[in-house]
Amino acid sequence: DAGVTQSPTHLIKTRGQQVTLRCSPKSGHDTVSWYQQALGQGPQFIFQYYEEEERQRGNFPDRFSGHQFPNYSSELNVNALLLGDSALYLCASSPLAGRTYEQYFGPGTRLTVT
Amino acid sequence: LAKTTQPISMDSYEGQEVNITCSHNNIATNDYITWYQQFPSQGPRFIIQGYKTKVTNEVASLFIPADRKSSTLSLPRVSLSDTAVYYCLVGDNNAGNMLTFGGGTRLMVKP
Repeated sequence: DAGVTQSPTHLIKTRGQQVTLRCSPKSGHDTVSWYQQALGQGPQFIFQYYEEEERQRGNFPDRFSGHQFPNYSSELNVNALLLGDSALYLCASSPLAGRTYEQYFGPGTRLTVT
Repeated sequence: LAKTTQPISMDSYEGQEVNITCSHNNIATNDYITWYQQFPSQGPRFIIQGYKTKVTNEVASLFIPADRKSSTLSLPRVSLSDTAVYYCLVGDNNAGNMLTFGGGTRLMVKP
């Protein structure tokens, strides 16, 4: 049973560019959440997707958008990249009907903006 | 959401018991206390969750006093592989799966 997978592992982009990160949830999970983790800090909630719709959103600008597909996989898109967007982007999955605070995280995508 | 306060860092030696305390003075009646562990370059991993008194699993124990304004994560006989950041989270299980992380406690286990 594969856990949460993310791609790519690492990514280097230039300011102003756009990036798409991908996530496949753990088998049986229907809810996907995205988090941004800056170096030395705890993860910060970006948004959550369920039934292909954004269910909750954290304090992130509209440059951050997402999508969930019928197979529950998800994408995170970031437009007009800023240097401050450099971080580890984590995807977490859970069953919506399950215990809220037990989420399964992927290994993350390390994004570097130069 | 209740704010949590925990030590920035702790040092320990192999074989010792480690206790990490988290303060959450404004915890609400419906809030649960959850701990996650994160190794470098990996995503956080759920360790344990509790509401009151004591919870124990194969990894750790969680002690919650009657007033629930604090909690203590206890790691028995730590090894070098327990070196990680430990996060204390407090929130309503009906809050829609949004996790609010603080800065965490960086535990360094030395030989």
